[in-house]
Amino acid sequence: DVKVTQSSRYLVKRTGEKVFLECVQDMDHENMFWYRQDPGLGLRLIYFSYDVKMKEKGDIPEGYSVSREKKERFSLILESASTNQTSMYLCASSLYPLYEQYFGPGTRLTVT
Amino acid sequence: RKEVEQDPGPFNVPEGATVAFNCTYSNSASQSFFWYRQDCRKEPKLLMSVYSSGNEDGRFTAQLNRASQYISLLIRDSKLSDSATYLCVGPNSGYALNFGKGTSLLVTP
Repeated sequence: DVKVTQSSRYLVKRTGEKVFLECVQDMDHENMFWYRQDPGLGLRLIYFSYDVKMKEKGDIPEGYSVSREKKERFSLILESASTNQTSMYLCASSLYPLYEQYFGPGTRLTVT
Repeated sequence: RKEVEQDPGPFNVPEGATVAFNCTYSNSASQSFFWYRQDCRKEPKLLMSVYSSGNEDGRFTAQLNRASQYISLLIRDSKLSDSATYLCVGPNSGYALNFGKGTSLLVTP
């Protein structure tokens, strides 16, 4: 079974803080993704990575950066958290770019 | 421009009913399609892939209509536990998948 884990289920941060969300997968998948999910807006792709140290912008990369130093780990960084970044953040991985993706349990981030 | 569109519902059906969802896509070159299920406050989970020849898994059937550019999900003999949001997924024009906003299903006793 593919397992994708995320560092926190719930997180509360203050405006302006730097926030790190960590994601680890154990299936040796090449591709990893970060999404945010908001009511009425569905899943929106922030960044994805198809190899170590490689990254591509998704649909809404502004205000975010990512890091992939090891194949199994993909980090999402909020450089200076803002209240409009309050959301559910979901990490996913897949073996190939357009293959099925497997999701972690999500991190519900609240920025106050 | 949203590349995958689906009716948000909600679809309210009684137990035992058959229900079908459709999802349209705009990228005619698309090859990869999936249906995901998402329970409230949980992550999406893969329900099934959609193949050109159709795909059946128990009470669930997924079909692809390339001519009209839509995929469908049919659920037979609905169970209370089928209540969830169903996400239609297709590829975007690049290397990533495009998730629909989901169709909400509520199965009632």
